[in-house]
Amino acid sequence: AQSVTQPDIHITVSEGASLELRCNYSYGATPYLFWYVQSPGQGLQLLLKYFSGDTLVQGIKGFEAEFKRSQSSFNLRKPSVHWSDAAEYFCAVGAGGNTPLVFGKGTRLSVIA
Amino acid sequence: NAGVTQTPKFQVLKTGQSMTLQCAQDMNHNSMYWYRQDPGMGLRLIYYSASEGTTDKGEVPNGYNVSRLNKREFSLRLESAAPSQTSVYFCASSETPLRAQPQHFGDGTRLSIL
Repeated sequence: AQSVTQPDIHITVSEGASLELRCNYSYGATPYLFWYVQSPGQGLQLLLKYFSGDTLVQGIKGFEAEFKRSQSSFNLRKPSVHWSDAAEYFCAVGAGGNTPLVFGKGTRLSVIA
Repeated sequence: NAGVTQTPKFQVLKTGQSMTLQCAQDMNHNSMYWYRQDPGMGLRLIYYSASEGTTDKGEVPNGYNVSRLNKREFSLRLESAAPSQTSVYFCASSETPLRAQPQHFGDGTRLSIL
């Protein structure tokens, strides 16, 4: 069965600094990978997705993620963090067949001045 | 463009009471899902409906029932609420449950059981 690990529970970065959130997956076949963001009191919003092709994927709000098959990773990056990026971020993997996405436990991002 | 609408947004129940959480989507999606979100646990799937007329258990189905009323609506019922069911509940939908399909989420129902 597929699984997702987000090793960092909480990360704090300074506004303007770069950001990398880690995601490792376990899945036997070619994965379909997603990053979602959840602002306080809100539902989850899709940031970006990887299906195939170029391993560097661009998303909304200036985020990007890189798929590395050799490391089973799909890390999320942003060159310069804004205070409004403070939120919880979830990585998810799509399994084969007729089954729903599997989500990681999330990484909470705090942004300080 | 409402997307996924959940009602109510907040609810407080007493132990043993019953409650139905409502979810409706206007994107003509085939698949719908119910998750619960607890601190440090991420999102855990309760039930899902791959298509109208079908429902399947997820990771944590005990204590819950669901009804796929039609293509638009998917309700979650707590027959006898317990304090362990205090959580934030999210409904989501997708075109299909196939692995390539992202899910669209509602804003959640915050449920407290005393």
